[in-house]
Amino acid sequence: DSGVTQTPKHLITATGQRVTLRCSPRSGDLSVYWYQQSLDQGLQFLIQYYNGEERAKGNILERFSAQQFPDLHSELNLSSLELGDSALYFCASNRDGSNQPQHFGDGTRLSIL
Amino acid sequence: DAKTTQPTSMDCAEGRAANLPCNHSTISGNEYVYWYRQIHSQGPQYIIHGLKNNETNEMASLIITEDRKSSTLILPHATLRDTAVYYCIVRNSSNTGKLIFGQGTTLQVKP
Repeated sequence: DSGVTQTPKHLITATGQRVTLRCSPRSGDLSVYWYQQSLDQGLQFLIQYYNGEERAKGNILERFSAQQFPDLHSELNLSSLELGDSALYFCASNRDGSNQPQHFGDGTRLSIL
Repeated sequence: DAKTTQPTSMDCAEGRAANLPCNHSTISGNEYVYWYRQIHSQGPQYIIHGLKNNETNEMASLIITEDRKSSTLILPHATLRDTAVYYCIVRNSSNTGKLIFGQGTTLQVKP
């Protein structure tokens, strides 16, 4: 158990819809990372937050947004969903957002029908 | 961050040492080598990391060549549960800790 909790584990929805994925980092970790893993693109970094502030951005679509709340949990919002957004979405955390190891949650599997 | 090259797949007999190579010929002085693995579709799991010295922990050993252009992850006694995709990642100690994953090596441990 990594200590990182992601909910829900599975999500099935339709094109055009909007969903919210939730992540609770390990106790004491201030930084949260979001990654997307699809069959054709592999594991890709989306965005990083540190203590409520955005720190780094990767290949995140404009239809996607994220935030980190004062209690340090984070949410990834995906809107106007397309079939190609079907993927595993992982959240990871570490203490200060630098080169410390990241601890990953078990992911949310998103299926778009 | 430096690019890494890993074999696509490898086999290992159960109980034997698994040696997973990684080339990172463009690595620079402040870049660390990290190893993660992903078992089936679970979240990636941190294994070990190092800068220039060899490192060992309860999971594995990391051997980095003197010129730092390549490294080897060693699982001393592979078990069936070590079957996974292993990712070698090189990144610097910047204040953004993002990980850039390549395709990794699929290690199949066989009985």
